[in-house]
Amino acid sequence: LAKTTQPISMDSYEGQEVNITCSHNNIATNDYITWYQQFPSQGPRFIIQGYKTKVTNEVASLFIPADRKSSTLSLPRVSLSDTAVYYCLVGDPPQAGTALIFGKGTTLSVSS
Amino acid sequence: GAVVSQHPSWVICKSGTSVKIECRSLDFQATTMFWYRQFPKQSLMLMATSNEGSKATYEQGVEKDKFLINHASLTLSTLTVTSAHPEDSSFYICSARNGGSFNYGYTFGSGTRLTVV
Repeated sequence: LAKTTQPISMDSYEGQEVNITCSHNNIATNDYITWYQQFPSQGPRFIIQGYKTKVTNEVASLFIPADRKSSTLSLPRVSLSDTAVYYCLVGDPPQAGTALIFGKGTTLSVSS
Repeated sequence: GAVVSQHPSWVICKSGTSVKIECRSLDFQATTMFWYRQFPKQSLMLMATSNEGSKATYEQGVEKDKFLINHASLTLSTLTVTSAHPEDSSFYICSARNGGSFNYGYTFGSGTRLTVV
């Protein structure tokens, strides 16, 4: 998996849009970009995945520029319940025997 | 969707005793499951890869005789922490790949908080 760099922490207020950027300069041609969310004392949960341009689902949007060396997870109008750690993972959809390797992640704190 | 059930969600045990944690894939078969450990305010650290019907593969630095993994069926993997000590207190999380190629197809259990006293 490609090495990723993301901010250690971010603070926001309810109702604001939050953008978390992940750098992955060594991304390979076959690599996808995937974001997971982890609440305290819970396992990670898949949020969104993309390869290029923009992907949107009911939870978030993922923006990927043409060079794919970075990506931005966008959370619209966050609420207190969005307080969590967000992990950016980059890699080729691996074979069944390959584990996901997590970096440090970004701790998002949402206040009222 | 794919669900991974992990049990128990929390356990307290005395130093020197053993604790078993179960990880079940409820609606899919998982030939491979993964075990992670997470200390407070740290990221998930891969401990081992559990393979159905064969020996687990442990990451460097993880004692295989202390963390026994059994993957006897396509839906169940267990992690037994033997002779637990306070430094084994941590959050243990299992994961399984449900076969989907998109989104990597990984599903995580809800985790087990182990406290050794």
